[in-house]
Amino acid sequence: SAVISQKPSRDICQRGTSLTIQCQVDSQVTMMFWYRQQPGQSLTLIATANQGSEATYESGFVIDKFPISRPNLTFSTLTVSNMSPEDSSIYLCSCYRAGANVLTFGAGSRLTVL
Amino acid sequence: GQQLNQSPQSMFIQEGEDVSMNCTSSSIFNTWLWYKQDPGEGPVLLIALYKAGELTSNGRLTAQFGTTRKDSFLNISASIPSDVGIYFCAGQLRNFGAGKSTFGDGTTLTVKP
Repeated sequence: SAVISQKPSRDICQRGTSLTIQCQVDSQVTMMFWYRQQPGQSLTLIATANQGSEATYESGFVIDKFPISRPNLTFSTLTVSNMSPEDSSIYLCSCYRAGANVLTFGAGSRLTVL
Repeated sequence: GQQLNQSPQSMFIQEGEDVSMNCTSSSIFNTWLWYKQDPGEGPVLLIALYKAGELTSNGRLTAQFGTTRKDSFLNISASIPSDVGIYFCAGQLRNFGAGKSTFGDGTTLTVKP
């Protein structure tokens, strides 16, 4: 399966600032996704990162708050904009290859917003 | 959207005991997955199930895809301390595009030596 590297692994941010999380996969993958895991909670899909086009967002998530880029088949970024304490979560990058049909996850980026 | 009910929410067991957890849904899924998440890590796939009725093992882990396609269970036999973590079930619908999964709320497992 693919190996996913995320950075930063953790950060402490001030309210009102923005932070960009990077996700690098060691090989080309068909699809990439961004999930959020709030403290003690399950994983919620934020969006599908589409290569070369705008991301597809799930209900409750918007591009202005979570802009996503995917310039190629191995790299994506998620920005958490104008952060508030409610954005304190683990943000997980995931991917899969055609035919594999299962998700591989990065280790996550743990954000704390003060 | 689909929702998964995973139970129990948490378990405290003695080393050597067997563990069972399950997931149910009000709608069907084409694929059921079980993941384990260790502290500070992302979820790691344990078992994938692709057909109704399928029973699959991975070492001490056994999982089954329910015949109604609305449920799945995971069993862990002879638990050991490194089994500690959060176990998530996940369901996938083929027509939504493989990879877009709905996750259960997780079962937190604690194993006492």
